[in-house]
Amino acid sequence: DAKTTQPPSMDCAEGRAANLPCNHSTISGNEYVYWYRQIHSQGPQYIIHGLKNNETNEMASLIITEDRKSSTLILPHATLRDTAVYYCIVRTSGTYKYIFGTGTRLKVLA
Amino acid sequence: NAGVTQTPKFRVLKTGQSMTLLCAQDMNHEYMYWYRQDPGMGLRLIHYSVGEGTTAKGEVPDGYNVSRLKKQNFLLGLESAAPSQTSVYFCASSYRAPSGQPQHFGDGTRLSIL
Repeated sequence: DAKTTQPPSMDCAEGRAANLPCNHSTISGNEYVYWYRQIHSQGPQYIIHGLKNNETNEMASLIITEDRKSSTLILPHATLRDTAVYYCIVRTSGTYKYIFGTGTRLKVLA
Repeated sequence: NAGVTQTPKFRVLKTGQSMTLLCAQDMNHEYMYWYRQDPGMGLRLIHYSVGEGTTAKGEVPDGYNVSRLKKQNFLLGLESAAPSQTSVYFCASSYRAPSGQPQHFGDGTRLSIL
């Protein structure tokens, strides 16, 4: 599985867009990118995933660069409840395992 | 929707005691996983199962055993608990991997070994 690199922490003003970057320069063609978040040591919450194309759902948007070596999770209008640790994970299609890094601690400021 | 349910939520054990953590999912998922999370770290995979009656080792399997007798349940056992096993344990489940289906997590079991 490809390794991912994320900044350890970020701040974002409430109501603004939060853009969380992730580098996965060794990603291969059949590896998906997943984003999860963890609030107050609760179970990780699935946000979004993608393979090649940009994706959007009710929670967030995922932008994957054309060379697939990096991606950005966008929370369009951050609220205080979005304060959490965000994990970017790359997993090979057909395998079973997530390799978690230490994630990005996002703090949304009032 | 229950999703993934873990019992118990909290437990304190003495060194050398044994216990079993239960994970149950109601989504008819084929795959199930057990992770542990230590302070300031991401989750690490202990064991996983790709179907009823099958189990496999993850990154940190030592000191743990698992069983998957029913599709909906995945049990994690500690035969002789050690202080190093103090952690938060998360269970997850998913559909078959090839379609990229995400894993869904329970709320965790907080285990302290004295």
